[in-house]
Amino acid sequence: NAGVTQTPKFQVLKTGQSMTLQCAQDMNHNSMYWYRQDPGMGLRLIYYSASEGTTDKGEVPNGYNVSRLNKREFSLRLESAAPSQTSVYFCASILPGGLTDTQYFGPGTRLTVL
Amino acid sequence: AQSVAQPEDQVNVAEGNPLTVKCTYSVSGNPYLFWYVQYPNRGLQFLLKYITGDNLVKGSYGFEAEFNKSQTSFHLKKPSALVSDSALYFCAVRDGGSNYQLIWGAGTKLIIKP
Repeated sequence: NAGVTQTPKFQVLKTGQSMTLQCAQDMNHNSMYWYRQDPGMGLRLIYYSASEGTTDKGEVPNGYNVSRLNKREFSLRLESAAPSQTSVYFCASILPGGLTDTQYFGPGTRLTVL
Repeated sequence: AQSVAQPEDQVNVAEGNPLTVKCTYSVSGNPYLFWYVQYPNRGLQFLLKYITGDNLVKGSYGFEAEFNKSQTSFHLKKPSALVSDSALYFCAVRDGGSNYQLIWGAGTKLIIKP
């Protein structure tokens, strides 16, 4: 099992450019999440998908869109990148239910917007 | 509103000494509490969780955490610190609801000195 994978690992964009961050999990998990991590602020939820075919806004959704392409894949799109979106982005997945209630994280994408 | 506080930005401990990383929480219902660790340039890894039952929870790498309902705390502990424990530690909480969203603390940097 590869677990949760993310591509790319690093990306530099100019203001106004667009890009899509890819996330995939091979653990047959139902729910998937996109977070951003900024120094001193912990993790903030951008969007999540409780199950295939559904997506919901998290704490900081502005400037982002998501697609739950299938059960395995959950992508995050920046339509017009801004310097405030410079951050490290993490994807996570979970198989909800009782004692398995643990989120598994990808290695992250480090994004710089100039 | 749900919240998590990690009152210390950084904790410094000498190798071999006991360590404590503090976490307090606020939720409306029964709390589900988690500790995750992040090593440099890596994603977050699950350490341990409290769902119900024994207030002392044992986790990975010799870590444990004590749930204290009256003080609304879930402090992370280890009897004897290792240099390799140096990392960023996050506390997270969710209520017993079904959306499986976690509320994250800002993180505590743990530095173990030889």
